[in-house]
Amino acid sequence: DGGITQSPKYLFRKEGQNVTLSCEQNLNHDAMYWYRQDPGQGLRLIYYSQIVNDFQKGDIAEGYSVSREKKESFPLTVTSAQKNPTAFYLCASSDRTGDGHYNEQFFGPGTRLTVL
Amino acid sequence: DAKTTQPTSMDCAEGRAANLPCNHSTISGNEYVYWYRQIHSQGPQYIIHGLKNNETNEMASLIITEDRKSSTLILPHATLRDTAVYYCIVRVVAGGSYIPTFGRGTSLIVHP
Repeated sequence: DGGITQSPKYLFRKEGQNVTLSCEQNLNHDAMYWYRQDPGQGLRLIYYSQIVNDFQKGDIAEGYSVSREKKESFPLTVTSAQKNPTAFYLCASSDRTGDGHYNEQFFGPGTRLTVL
Repeated sequence: DAKTTQPTSMDCAEGRAANLPCNHSTISGNEYVYWYRQIHSQGPQYIIHGLKNNETNEMASLIITEDRKSSTLILPHATLRDTAVYYCIVRVVAGGSYIPTFGRGTSLIVHP
């Protein structure tokens, strides 16, 4: 089945530890995105990548880092510099048409990170 | 990208049509209207999108006003499983540095 997967679904970490969230897609999509969602809020963009080995900061990139070494993978590291990391993290991907238009986004099931 | 305004919450009786409005008065000519929904604790799911004409698919219908400053998502026969947060976003047609922005959306509750 084609799709986008995130693991784990729930993650607990102690304060001050770095943690890496996995995002994998087998849709052959060029673009991938990371969002953060806090309770009762919309989605805020952390980072996005339109091509392998390239990525751009979103609105709330501070305290986060990403890599895009492979087309199908876009892991997100939540560093100890992120002051309030407890949140629901969503990964998405989208493909690109011949005229450069990005189609709709496909989202993963999300990872709920709790920092104790 | 143009900003959108949606009601915070709405409710609908099961089996009736749910009409969710969205205001995007600053939309540009090269921006599409997209709708997604998010069921609690899941990732958002794409529903439908349109530019000028009304659109329909197996999930919903999208009605865009002639001046394109507002739109309505219609779920023709709402079920309890349609209870979710519905997001209306607008985005440019061509690629480049498009960054999708999701506001708080409309929380739709479908009741028996």
